Amino acid sequence: EAEVAQSPRYKITEKSQAVAFWCDPISGHATLYWYRQILGQGPELLVQFQDESVVDDSQLPKDRFSAERLKGVDSTLKIQPAELGDSAMYLCASSLYPQGTYNEQFFGPGTRLTVL
Amino acid sequence: AQSVTQLDSQVPVFEEAPVELRCNYSSSVSVYLFWYVQYPNQGLQLLLKYLSGSTLVKGINGFEAEFNKSQTSFHLRKPSVHISDTAEYFCAVSIIQGAQKLVFGQGTRLTINP
Repeated sequence: EAEVAQSPRYKITEKSQAVAFWCDPISGHATLYWYRQILGQGPELLVQFQDESVVDDSQLPKDRFSAERLKGVDSTLKIQPAELGDSAMYLCASSLYPQGTYNEQFFGPGTRLTVL
Repeated sequence: AQSVTQLDSQVPVFEEAPVELRCNYSSSVSVYLFWYVQYPNQGLQLLLKYLSGSTLVKGINGFEAEFNKSQTSFHLRKPSVHISDTAEYFCAVSIIQGAQKLVFGQGTRLTINP
């Protein structure tokens, strides 16, 4: 069964360091989402890609966060420099292109980031 | 903009008892409605969804939910819970047109006691 892959599963870093997370969506899924889930809260969308283009990054803290999906397949989310408040679970999801009909989002296992 | 409110942050229940997890939403446009389950240190799994049609929807693991448009609610129910249902449950909405990003509630932690 096809799954969304994420790595690493866990990451511990110190404040002011750079970190990067990787996501490989289900083959053929044109839409890719990055969500951030702070402990005790629901996930919040950070950025959405349609192929290699950004569709929505309104909640992405652009002074320190960046995301890319260069060939429209896998994606990388980077934080530089990391701050204590960035400690969270980072979830990646993918779906077929939403063309006026429902397309289920499939979630990866997430990357748990701890900033010390 | 859309918003989701889950009325209970924690729900303790005895095994084999019924349970209801409450969810209310706000949106000026039509939305799809979802319930997701999250086990510790894992991603989200879709339990069930309402897209259109019958307001009572059935999902996996014996869960069901009822869409009430007048009350803007989408409560999740299960007639008899098991220890394995212990998890975090999230209600979510997405608009029907456009990018279909999910907007989540803050979650309800369901704890099943033997």
